[in-house]
Amino acid sequence: NAGVTQTPKFQVLKTGQSMTLQCAQDMNHNSMYWYRQDPGMGLRLIYYSASEGTTDKGEVPNGYNVSRLNKREFSLRLESAAPSQTSVYFCASSVGAQQYFGPGTRLTVT
Amino acid sequence: AQSVTQLGSHVSVSEGALVLLRCNYSSSVPPYLFWYVQYPNQGLQLLLKYTSAATLVKGINGFEAEFKKSETSFHLTKPSAHMSDAAEYFCAVSAGLTGNQFYFGTGTSLTVIP
Repeated sequence: NAGVTQTPKFQVLKTGQSMTLQCAQDMNHNSMYWYRQDPGMGLRLIYYSASEGTTDKGEVPNGYNVSRLNKREFSLRLESAAPSQTSVYFCASSVGAQQYFGPGTRLTVT
Repeated sequence: AQSVTQLGSHVSVSEGALVLLRCNYSSSVPPYLFWYVQYPNQGLQLLLKYTSAATLVKGINGFEAEFKKSETSFHLTKPSAHMSDAAEYFCAVSAGLTGNQFYFGTGTSLTVIP
């Protein structure tokens, strides 16, 4: 099992460019999450999806959109990237009280 | 509402010494509590979790944590630090099993001195 996979691993964008971060899990989990990790701030929830076809905002949703394409895939889109979105992005899925994390995407916006 | 406070953003211990990483939580309902470890350039890995069973929880790599309701604490300990324990550690709380209800602390970076 691959667990939770994320692509790309690294990305550099210019201000105003758009991109989509991809996430997939092969554990048949219903719930999936997108977090951002910034120094000294821990992980902050961007969006969450309890099941296929549903999404909800987390703590820091502004500037992002998500799509739960099917049970396996949960993508995060930046429509117009800003330097404040420079961060490490983690996707996770969960079953019960346990989350499983992907390896992360390191995004730099110049 | 739930929140997590990790005391000490950086902790240094000598190899073989006791590791103690502090976590206090606030929760309006009985919480689920977690410790995660993050090695450089990797995702988070679950160390252990408390889900209202035994208050002393044993995890991987020799770590354990004790849930103390009266102190609203869930401190992480390991009797003897190893060089491979150097990493970032995150405490997290959840009031439920799903949803946007996992709240993370700001992390504690553990350095192990040879």
